[in-house]
Amino acid sequence: DAGITQSPRHKVTETGTPVTLRCHQTENHRYMYWYRQDPGHGLRLIHYSYGVKDTDKGEVSDGYSVSRSKTEDFLLTLESATSSQTSVYFCAISEAGTSGDYEQYFGPGTRLTVT
Amino acid sequence: GQNIDQPTEMTATEGAIVQINCTYQTSGFNGLFWYQQHAGEAPTFLSYNVLDGLEEKGRFSSFLSRSKGYSYLLLKELQMKDSASYLCAVRVIELSFGAGTTVTVRA
Repeated sequence: DAGITQSPRHKVTETGTPVTLRCHQTENHRYMYWYRQDPGHGLRLIHYSYGVKDTDKGEVSDGYSVSRSKTEDFLLTLESATSSQTSVYFCAISEAGTSGDYEQYFGPGTRLTVT
Repeated sequence: GQNIDQPTEMTATEGAIVQINCTYQTSGFNGLFWYQQHAGEAPTFLSYNVLDGLEEKGRFSSFLSRSKGYSYLLLKELQMKDSASYLCAVRVIELSFGAGTTVTVRA
């Protein structure tokens, strides 16, 4: 299994509070991704990173920001959490981005509830 | 946005064969992936197709027709542990996922 951890694994927070989720990898993979998974929608890309300090927006980036100051860590921040951001958040990593059969390896997920 | 469709649910009997279809309409194409996800767990990679045809991996096979925007995942000799969601994903620049097909295997 790819070495990917996410913290925290579960979090309950109140509307309007800031929240930061952490993804940590030990594989030295260049690409890292944040997805959210909701019933009926599947996995949707929030943000991704193609290197230290290099990030880009995904399909559902509004209300989220990311940072990557080290190869191994990719942080997802909800500046002011809303109930619509209640979801399961998955981090993923891959060796390469847009070419080849480089599959993504997923972390265990973080279940976030915004009350 | 990208449009990726797959059935919501399927049920099959242990030892049988099930075929999960995926149709897509995307702005480009750089490969199609299938992932398996057990309830409460992370998705895990099953297969990758970039050229037309069938890719076989043990009990699992995946087929692609780029001209039809169509793929299927074939699960043979079904086992109880195959009960899971199966996610179809198309790479344009990054991966876009379908909503997933929940397969229930009955004894």
